[in-house]
Amino acid sequence: SQTIHQWPATLVQPVGSPLSLECTVEGTSNPNLYWYRQAAGRGLQLLFYSVGIGQISSEVPQNLSASRPQDRQFILSSKKLLLSDSGFYLCAWSVFGGSTDTQYFGPGTRLTVL
Amino acid sequence: SQQGEEDPQALSIQEGENATMNCSYKTSINNLQWYRQNSGRGLVHLILIRSNEREKHSGRLRVTLDTSKKSSSLLITASRAADTASYFCATVPGGSYIPTFGRGTSLIVHP
Repeated sequence: SQTIHQWPATLVQPVGSPLSLECTVEGTSNPNLYWYRQAAGRGLQLLFYSVGIGQISSEVPQNLSASRPQDRQFILSSKKLLLSDSGFYLCAWSVFGGSTDTQYFGPGTRLTVL
Repeated sequence: SQQGEEDPQALSIQEGENATMNCSYKTSINNLQWYRQNSGRGLVHLILIRSNEREKHSGRLRVTLDTSKKSSSLLITASRAADTASYFCATVPGGSYIPTFGRGTSLIVHP
């Protein structure tokens, strides 16, 4: 069966510090991968998605970036965090070319920027 | 951009009662999905309804879709305290594969 991992679970970082969040998927090949951010009491904002290694699409301009160095690994990064980067970050995957577009989410990372 | 909007934003009921949440969207869709999120956790897919379907059931869940009104509803029958969570609808526009999520309905079921 497929599983998705995210780490760390929680993170407290000072403003201006770098960020690296990692997401890995097991049990499937060539998944579509997604990074979302969820502010408190809000819906999900799609940040990046990827349909293959090295293929990254950005949905919103920001100081975040994403990379997909391996088929089942998706990394969210920042060189300098802002206070507004605080939130709950969720990674998700879906079947490439699937007929249902169902998304499967990881447990999330709670990021607090102070 | 395409977005589903849930209504109400918050719902508080007693155990055993039914809970109904609604979702409205703006443009034509491929399918509509409902997800559940427990506090501080990731989202879990509940049910998907395609644009050519009008109703689907899964256990205590019943989803309806009215494409003429661009709306969907999620009914949870005989609610339990364990149903306490936020519920999101996600719409997939025609020609796309990426769902767009609404802001969710926060459901509290009191034991």
